This record gives sequence, structure tokens and C-alpha cells, in this order.
Amino acid sequence: GAGVSQSPSNKVTEKGKDVELRCDPISGHTALYWYRQSLGQGLEFLIYFQGNSAPDKSGLPSDRFSAERTGGSVSTLTIQRTQQEDSAVYLCASSLDDSPLHFGNGTRLTVT
Amino acid sequence: GENVEQHPSTLSVQEGDSAVIKCTYSDSASNYFPWYKQELGKGPQLIIDIRSNVGEKKDQRIAVTLNKTAKHFSLHITETQPEDSAVYFCAASKGYNNDMRFGAGTRLTVKP
Repeated sequence: GAGVSQSPSNKVTEKGKDVELRCDPISGHTALYWYRQSLGQGLEFLIYFQGNSAPDKSGLPSDRFSAERTGGSVSTLTIQRTQQEDSAVYLCASSLDDSPLHFGNGTRLTVT
Repeated sequence: GENVEQHPSTLSVQEGDSAVIKCTYSDSASNYFPWYKQELGKGPQLIIDIRSNVGEKKDQRIAVTLNKTAKHFSLHITETQPEDSAVYFCAASKGYNNDMRFGAGTRLTVKP
């Protein structure tokens, strides 16, 4: 079946602009996660949505980062006033409760 | 919080040889240890996982061992093939995906 879908696959933006990254999880998956992968680094947890519960935002690096999940399905990660250090691959994953994570192919963000 | 360290950062082996990647974790309460394989331009894919009530798990050419006392776990790939070339990540959690922490990754190259 269809896996986790992320768009766009690549995004180049100028410093100071806002960007929106989209994630379509696997149908029926109740949990959705955003991670950031910087060059040569592991996966850094950003935010977690589980059903109708309040999201776990403990990994968001600054108040420029926010995310929402509408209707328990699609999620959007928004980065306001982008900085060069925001350049990374942003990965979305979904799962059934705490079953194994299924990752999308990521969005490569480049801030110039 | 949990801290996961992974070694080596790069590993090059000849086709047919074995490859071993090692990880250590800091939180003795961690009880779930997955390994992910990430190919170029793709998201990480789960290849094998182990829980703390098991010392070893094998799936064809890959195996994972866990030493709870020493707080380390390892990925073993036997009879390596060029298609095994990828970045491998270990991770540890206390059973909840939102507390999962990843190692920095190992870039494995299998030379034909």
C-alpha cells in the first residue's frame, strides 16, 4: 500500500522567508512524528501527534517552528523566518500507536 | 535524557565480508532497540529490532545482539553485498516512539 508521502521533496528558500512542509501519513496510522536530519547527524525529534491528544512539542528548536495535524491525518510543519542553520532534511514518520515507525523520503530544505 | 552513541561513523568492507556496527545507550530504562537502513534519497527503513527481554535476534544475514548490563547493542551483517551499502542508524527508547533517540549513523560501503 501507499507509504508516508512528503512534499515537496526539495525546497530552496531565501533566509527570512517562511516555508511549509507537508506530510501524508499511512492511512489509519494514529501517530505522526517529525524529525530533522542535519548533514552527518542522527535524527533529531521535533514533534509528535497521537490521535486527539495535545502534541508533544518538546523537540521544537525555537518558536519559529510549529506544526499542525488536521483531521488526524495530514500534517504541516511550518518554519518562519528561516535561517541558514535550518537547512536539513525534514523527515516525517507515522505509526500505529507505538508500533515501528514508517518514514517518508523527507524534504530537503536549503536556506540560502 | 537518553543518549545514543554509534560507532564507527564510516565502515568499508569487501563484498562477502562481515560488518559490525556498535551502539551504546545511557538510560537503563530503555527497552526497545531498532535498527534502520537509509539509502540515498530515501527515508530510514526498519530492518530489525530487539527488545530488552531478548539477547539476540537474527533475520537471514542480519542479527542484533544486546548486552543490557553494559548498555550496548550491535548490528551484524554477514556475507555483505553491494546493495547493503547505506547509512545505518541505531535507536533506543523506553517503548514509546516519542522518546526514541537515534545514533548519528554509520555509512557502510560494500566494495564489489
